[in-house]
Amino acid sequence: GEDVEQSLFLSVREGDSSVINCTYTDSSSTYLYWYKQEPGAGLQLLTYIFSNMDMKQDQRLTVLLNKKDKHLSLRIADTQTGDSAIYFCAEIPFSGAGSYQLTFGKGTKLSVIP
Amino acid sequence: EAGVAQSPRYKIIEKRQSVAFWCNPISGHATLYWYQQILGQGPKLLIQFQNNGVVDDSQLPKDRFSAERLKGVDSTLKIQPAKLEDSAVYLCASSLDGARPETQYFGPGTRLLVL
Repeated sequence: GEDVEQSLFLSVREGDSSVINCTYTDSSSTYLYWYKQEPGAGLQLLTYIFSNMDMKQDQRLTVLLNKKDKHLSLRIADTQTGDSAIYFCAEIPFSGAGSYQLTFGKGTKLSVIP
Repeated sequence: EAGVAQSPRYKIIEKRQSVAFWCNPISGHATLYWYQQILGQGPKLLIQFQNNGVVDDSQLPKDRFSAERLKGVDSTLKIQPAKLEDSAVYLCASSLDGARPETQYFGPGTRLLVL
């Protein structure tokens, strides 16, 4: 199965809050990331959280990490139409081999209704 | 600071043809990654370079894919011969060090369509 799982779709009204959820399986994960991908574009780093943190806030973005349940969430306050995109959760598991590859979920497509 | 550059942005080829992609990482970044993103999926790592050496190429289909980073800066990824299932976006990313978990910065990608 997938190492990182996300729901595929989320639809919210403009001005509401969006919450995108992610579960991961590797308890040794060191960093957890949220990337944004707009149509036809590459991946834009939104925010990240280190595994010894529970929460991180950055302007309209709030990341919550529940290590016990291996659950990560991204909350976008006051969601705007420009936030419409695919959001990827990604982890970097610990590797003694020196390869710190990102493992991505399939992405959650956020649609913002005006 | 300039980001990760990739070219071409789009490429359409027929199966069994060859294709090459180019990546220029962020200046000073020692580590370079190539990812393949198939439609509807998250990116998957193909190969990771540390300077001009390969750190991890375990998921690179070596019978048809090759990559090099001869001078430790730019990199090229080649597919020869291409198959229909190679249609995807090929993303290049770079990070400062690579010897520890750290943020990777992505280029815009090259969209490949194999007919």
